[in-house]
Amino acid sequence: QSALTQPRSVSGSPGQSVTISCTGTSSNVGGYNYVSWYQQHPGKVPKLIIYDVNKRPSGVPDRFSGSKSGNTASLTISGLQAEDEADYYCCSYAGSYTFGVFGTGTQVTVL
Amino acid sequence: EVQLVESGGGLVQPGGSLRLSCAASGFNFNNSWMHWVRQAPGKGLVWVSRINIEGTSTSYADSVKGRFTISRDNAKNTLYLQMNSLRAEDTAVYYCARNRHKENYFDYWGQGTLVTVSS
Repeated sequence: QSALTQPRSVSGSPGQSVTISCTGTSSNVGGYNYVSWYQQHPGKVPKLIIYDVNKRPSGVPDRFSGSKSGNTASLTISGLQAEDEADYYCCSYAGSYTFGVFGTGTQVTVL
Repeated sequence: EVQLVESGGGLVQPGGSLRLSCAASGFNFNNSWMHWVRQAPGKGLVWVSRINIEGTSTSYADSVKGRFTISRDNAKNTLYLQMNSLRAEDTAVYYCARNRHKENYFDYWGQGTLVTVSS
C-alpha cells in the first residue's frame, strides 16, 4: 500500500486555524471510518490525538478535530498555540492484513 | 503506568540479523494486538508488522516480508521482531505500539530503538 498523501507543511499564526488533509483511496481512507492522527514533537514518541475519524482521547484539547469526506480525511487545529508546532501523521485502517497505512506527514509551524 | 520498552537495536552490517524486544507493562497485553512501526532518520512513520492476541496471525509490509518475523510471548508480556537479511534502507527507529482488541488505532507507543545497518 502506498502512503497516504499529506501536505509537506502548513503554518499559521497563534490563534488561527490550520487544516491538514490526508488523501488515500477507497481501500483505506474511503473504505473505513478508522482514520487516526498522531502528533510527534522532534525527538519524541508519536501521540494519538484523533481516532475513528473524529474522536479525541481523554486529555487531548478540543482544539483538535477530525473529519472525513470520501477518500480524504482532515485534521483541524483551531486556536493554534506554540506547543502545537510538531509533525502530524494520519493513519488509516486498510484491512485485516495491512492494518495501517500512514500518511507522509505534515510539519506544522506556528509563526 | 503503561510502559512499552524496546531493546535490541544497534549497529549491524548489511545482510546481518538483529532481534528486537518490546517489554509491556501496565495494561492487558493479552487483550492487545501488537505492532512494529519504524521511522527512518528525518522521514515519516511506516507500519512494519502486526500480530494478533494469540500470536497465530501475523502480517507484514511488503518491504520486509520474508525477512522479518514478528512474535510474542504472552507469559512474558513481550513482543519480538526478528530481522534477517538487513539492508541499509532498514535503518530506522523501531517503535512497538499496540491497538486494543477491536480498535483500529495505536494508543500506546514505546520510546523506540534505533537500528543502523551499515558497513
